[in-house]
Amino acid sequence: EDQVTQSPEALRLQEGESSSLNCSYTVSGLRGLFWYRQDPGKGPEFLFTLYSAGEEKEKERLKATLTKKESFLHITAPKPEDSATYLCAVQDTGGFKTIFGAGTRLFVKA
Amino acid sequence: DGGITQSPKYLFRKEGQNVTLSCEQNLNHDAMYWYRQDPGQGLRLIYYSQIVNDFQKGDIAEGYSVSREKKESFPLTVTSAQKNPTAFYLCASSIGSVNEQFFGPGTRLTVL
Repeated sequence: EDQVTQSPEALRLQEGESSSLNCSYTVSGLRGLFWYRQDPGKGPEFLFTLYSAGEEKEKERLKATLTKKESFLHITAPKPEDSATYLCAVQDTGGFKTIFGAGTRLFVKA
Repeated sequence: DGGITQSPKYLFRKEGQNVTLSCEQNLNHDAMYWYRQDPGQGLRLIYYSQIVNDFQKGDIAEGYSVSREKKESFPLTVTSAQKNPTAFYLCASSIGSVNEQFFGPGTRLTVL
């Protein structure tokens, strides 16, 4: 059964303190891995799609990487406005459903 | 501006009532989805539609119904058969079934 596990559940950082969020996944075949940002009370905002191991994508202070078993979202020198919940999701080659993890809540203090 | 709209933003329902949540997109996407989000849990798929006049049940379809009469619209009805309907409901769309999804702002439903 497809599964997505995100860690940690919550992460508190000081402004400028770089860190990484983890997304471990289990699928029979990976069609794509997605990262989203969600602010409280709002819908998720699409960030990245990764398709194969070794792939990397960047956007401002965020960089997503992918291996055969997990993905990392690296946050470099975060700012308070980066505070949000970050969701990871995977799509299996065997179907059309997208499986979401529970998310990591990031708090960045000035 | 292209995007997905959901209405209303907040909805209150008495027990035993059916309610319909609206979802409209002007992105010309073929696929549309409804998810439910509860605190501490990942998004759970209720229904999805890959093309007009066709839709499939997701993991938690019991107590919900949908229609897809137009490409732009995918309304969700929460029936009285749904035992625990209080949640945050999210609509999404994608170009095709294998692409990244784009989400609306959500509707928070509360049963009184």
